Amino acid sequence: EPEVTQTPSHQVTQMGQEVILRCVPISNHLYFYWYRQILGQKVEFLVSFYNNEISEKSEIFDDQFSVERPDGSNFTLKIRSTKLEDSAMYFCASMMRTLETQYFGPGTRLLVL
Amino acid sequence: AQKVTQAQTEISVVEKEDVTLDCVYETRDTTYYLFWYKQPPSGELVFLIRRNSFDEQNEISGRYSWNFQKSTSSFNFTITASQVVDSAVYFCALDNYGQNFVFGPGTRLSVLP
Repeated sequence: EPEVTQTPSHQVTQMGQEVILRCVPISNHLYFYWYRQILGQKVEFLVSFYNNEISEKSEIFDDQFSVERPDGSNFTLKIRSTKLEDSAMYFCASMMRTLETQYFGPGTRLLVL
Repeated sequence: AQKVTQAQTEISVVEKEDVTLDCVYETRDTTYYLFWYKQPPSGELVFLIRRNSFDEQNEISGRYSWNFQKSTSSFNFTITASQVVDSAVYFCALDNYGQNFVFGPGTRLSVLP
């Protein structure tokens, strides 16, 4: 069964460094999402992406964040200058079309020191 | 604005007991999806069920059952004859057809042997 994959599974970085989290959505899906879950808290929406542009973003998704679909298969989340509070599990999700549902990847656990 | 409430922060039961996890949601949309996800200690999100707002039939899948009541905006989840492997955080979520995916705060279930 097709699934969403994410790399790396874990990443440790120093505060102020840039990180790129990678996701490979299910191949025929057109809508892409990033979510964040700070340890022990609920999952929060960050951004949705369709047709090579951001459709919606939350208040969390500030100028430090960007998303890209560089090559038709990967979907990346970049954090330009990481802060301690960016430490969280980041989930990618994809959806084939509207009126369908999102499929989540296994997550990348980011730790900012 | 959409909101999902899971009033039970933590529940502990002894193996083989039945347990019901409550979920109450708020939305102005007439069409939406409701979900339950399981998050085991390993951290990934495991999809359990999706329910369309048009379909109020209750569903049973093995030891799991779901009770959707649109009149009370509730979508409760029951595990029958609980097992230790059911120990996890369970999230209820609401999706207005891909526009806005909102998770509840989660209920931590501990099943004791």
